[in-house]
Amino acid sequence: GAVVSQHPSRVICKSGTSVKIECRSLDFQATTMFWYRQFPKQSLMLMATSNEGSKATYEQGVEKDKFLINHASLTLSTLTVTSAHPEDSSFYICSASDVGGEYTDTQYFGPGTRLTVL
Amino acid sequence: DAKTTQPNSMESNEEEPVHLPCNHSTISGTDYIHWYRQLPSQGPEYVIHGLTSNVNNRMASLAIAEDRKSSTLILHRATLRDAAVYYCILQRYNQGGKLIFGQGTELSVKP
Repeated sequence: GAVVSQHPSRVICKSGTSVKIECRSLDFQATTMFWYRQFPKQSLMLMATSNEGSKATYEQGVEKDKFLINHASLTLSTLTVTSAHPEDSSFYICSASDVGGEYTDTQYFGPGTRLTVL
Repeated sequence: DAKTTQPNSMESNEEEPVHLPCNHSTISGTDYIHWYRQLPSQGPEYVIHGLTSNVNNRMASLAIAEDRKSSTLILHRATLRDAAVYYCILQRYNQGGKLIFGQGTELSVKP
C-alpha cells in the first residue's frame, strides 16, 4: 500500500516551453502533497506544500508564477514549470501524506521526474 | 526548523549491523524524528519514525536518547540493497507535515 506515481518519469523540452508533471496517490487519499527539487549530488529542497482544494504554500525563494501547482483531487497534484530554462533542469519529486492512515505524518514519495531543458 | 547533524558517509560490511547516528540538540518536545533513505535516481523511502521511545519495524530499529538530543538508526544486517543516502529529519507537528531534508549520510555496503 501507500504507492505514489509520477508521470512522466523523464522529459526533455526546449527552452521557453511549459512542462506539466503529475503526481498521483494510487491506493490512498492524500489531502496534502509536497513538491521537491533535487540537483545532482545535493539533497532534496522543498518547493511547496499542496492542499486539496486550496492554494499551494510556497517556500521562500520559490516563484509561484513559474511553478504552478494544482491539487484538484485527493489523489492528484500537478506541477507545471512555465517558460522553462536550462537552469530549471532538475529531478522533481512529489510526496503525499496518507489521510486517516496509521501514520498520517508519514510521507510517501513518488519515483521522481527528470526534467532536462535544452 | 530544527537542524540535524549526520556524518557525510559511512561504510559497512554486508551481513553486519550498521548504526547510523544523528544529532539534534535543538529538538523541541513536539518534534518527531523521521528517517528516510534514497537510492540513486529514486524518490526517498520511509524507514522509521519515533517521538520518545525506541521503535522497531521490519526495516530497522530507531534508538532515541533519553534527552532526545540524538538518535541512532540501526540496520540489523546490512545488505547491498541498503546502500543509499539516509536522512534524519525532525518533523514539527504544527507545520503541516513538512520535511526539511539535510545532507544525510551516504552508506556504502561492501560485499
